[in-house]
Amino acid sequence: GAGVSQSPSNKVTEKGKDVELRCDPISGHTALYWYRQSLGQGLEFLIYFQGNSAPDKSGLPSDRFSAERTGGSVSTLTIQRTQQEDSAVYLCASSLLVGSVSYEQYFGPGTRLTVT
Amino acid sequence: ELKVEQNPLFLSMQEGKNYTIYCNYSTTSDRLYWYRQDPGKSLESLFVLLSNGAVKQEGRLMASLDTKARLSTLHITAAVHDLSATYFCAVDKGGSEKLVFGKGTKLTVNP
Repeated sequence: GAGVSQSPSNKVTEKGKDVELRCDPISGHTALYWYRQSLGQGLEFLIYFQGNSAPDKSGLPSDRFSAERTGGSVSTLTIQRTQQEDSAVYLCASSLLVGSVSYEQYFGPGTRLTVT
Repeated sequence: ELKVEQNPLFLSMQEGKNYTIYCNYSTTSDRLYWYRQDPGKSLESLFVLLSNGAVKQEGRLMASLDTKARLSTLHITAAVHDLSATYFCAVDKGGSEKLVFGKGTKLTVNP
């Protein structure tokens, strides 16, 4: 079956512009996660969705970052007024959720964001 | 706060040799994961370790978990060039929480 997909694969934007990154999880996976990978900070958690709600937003670095998920499926991560320090690879992962327990997370290919 | 430390961060080894990567974590955790990442690629799941004493093997890689010592090891046997990649360990506290990653170990296997 299809894995986690993300689009675009690469995005170059000018400082101050807004960007939207998209994630399509594995069908049937109700848990969805966003992470960010950068050279200086390694792999960092951003936000977690359980269905359409986000019980953990603790990793969002500033109020310029927001995310939503609709229909328990596709998620969009939006970064407003991008800054150079936002340059990173943004990874999405999904997992099966049974009750309150999630299982192994499967990662998408990532979106490489470059802010110039 | 859950912290994960890996060592070494860089590892250069000859083909045919054995080596071990270590992953320590700071607080009680229910599950430990090992991922592989090739340059420019995403994370590929290697192992999920769920209980104390768990050992899993796949090819030349073997992972183990000691929850009392808060330590996991990834042992490489008779390394081959195709194992060159960055290896990450990650921990969560069970339930549906986020993964906390180590900084990764960049492994280079020289012919």
